[in-house]
Amino acid sequence: DAGITQSPRHKVTETGTPVTLRCHQTENHRYMYWYRQDPGHGLRLIHYSYGVKDTDKGEVSDGYSVSRSKTEDFLLTLESATSSQTSVYFCAISEPRASTDTQYFGPGTRLTVL
Amino acid sequence: AQSVTQLGSHVSVSEGALVLLRCNYSSSVPPYLFWYVQYPNQGLQLLLKYTSAATLVKGINGFEAEFKKSETSFHLTKPSAHMSDAAEYFCAVSDGVLGGNEKLTFGTGTRLTIIP
Repeated sequence: DAGITQSPRHKVTETGTPVTLRCHQTENHRYMYWYRQDPGHGLRLIHYSYGVKDTDKGEVSDGYSVSRSKTEDFLLTLESATSSQTSVYFCAISEPRASTDTQYFGPGTRLTVL
Repeated sequence: AQSVTQLGSHVSVSEGALVLLRCNYSSSVPPYLFWYVQYPNQGLQLLLKYTSAATLVKGINGFEAEFKKSETSFHLTKPSAHMSDAAEYFCAVSDGVLGGNEKLTFGTGTRLTIIP
């Protein structure tokens, strides 16, 4: 998985609780992304980062926030988890100077909100 | 805005038969196109990509795809299916703005089943 780890790999939580997912990379890539994967929807972009402290919204950003205080870590926070946020979350990285928007993906985090 | 349509959410082929997974795209600029594969309980792995060089792109595991601008298609093929090819396959498009948008738009995926 191209030097990308995600933690935790599985989490069960209750509605209304905050949840933070972590993505860590050892590739020194500038861009990092958070996606969610749901049946029938493929992968949808939640937020992405194009540098330390530089982030932007994706297609499905409502209810999520992100932070990137150093190159290697990108955190995704569900401020108050809802059942609709039950999903598998993938982190991805890319380095535009190297090529052509190729993104490499982490192993995923399966989140269940009860 | 860019988009991708994958025709057929489930495809079944016999072992040794041709694999054909269909992808059509929409993009306002010359696109970059990608195929990813996802094995059960794993992340996505890049199979191949088209970046405006050769229109026939060869990837890993014997897969290839052909970019056809006139048909706005980027179908994935493999001459002879193996049991190990059973997985979900995703087509994705980028607007190719290097250092700019850097966002991929994914199709909804095609689950490939191989029949022994």
